[in-house]
Amino acid sequence: KQEVTQIPAALSVPEGENLVLNCSFTDSAIYNLQWFRQDPGKGLTSLLLIQSSQREQTSGRLNASLDKSSGRSTLYIAASQPGDSATYLCAVKGFGNEKLTFGTGTRLTIIP
Amino acid sequence: EAEVAQSPRYKITEKSQAVAFWCDPISGHATLYWYRQILGQGPELLVQFQDESVVDDSQLPKDRFSAERLKGVDSTLKIQPAELGDSAMYLCASGQGVSITGELFFGEGSRLTVL
Repeated sequence: KQEVTQIPAALSVPEGENLVLNCSFTDSAIYNLQWFRQDPGKGLTSLLLIQSSQREQTSGRLNASLDKSSGRSTLYIAASQPGDSATYLCAVKGFGNEKLTFGTGTRLTIIP
Repeated sequence: EAEVAQSPRYKITEKSQAVAFWCDPISGHATLYWYRQILGQGPELLVQFQDESVVDDSQLPKDRFSAERLKGVDSTLKIQPAELGDSAMYLCASGQGVSITGELFFGEGSRLTVL
């Protein structure tokens, strides 16, 4: 059974700093990995999708990397802004069916 | 931009009552998912549809929960009777299918409070 872990559960950093969020998974046989953002009381917004054959994806100030062999992914946020404050969730999709298995998220607070 | 629509956004009910949530996926998306997210936790899959067929409902408490997607488009998730432990966010997601990018898109969710 796939298990996804995100550490730390919460992170506070001053505005302008670069930061890295971590995601680890137990079964390396994944189809893809997706990073989401969730604002309080809201749904999930897809940030980046990395296919199993890819090493990284970039969108604006966000860069996500994937190392399947070690079961790890990182989300790098450059030049953080207060508007980046949210919970960030990673999720992996296995082969065979399309079920996404989620981590519990990292709650990020950017201090102005 | 196409979105996954969900309603109602908020629902407050008393235990033992029936509740229903509705989801309209992005047009053309064959797969539809219902997830439940308890506060402070990651979403957990309740049921997955491919067109009108259930692919995975292994985590759906079938004694009280039911889900349908009769025409392979929109979907309804029902809880009867609701229990205190059902208080959570119910998220709907859709995707084109694993043969495409495999990316999933989520709606804004339906927040259920059971009193």
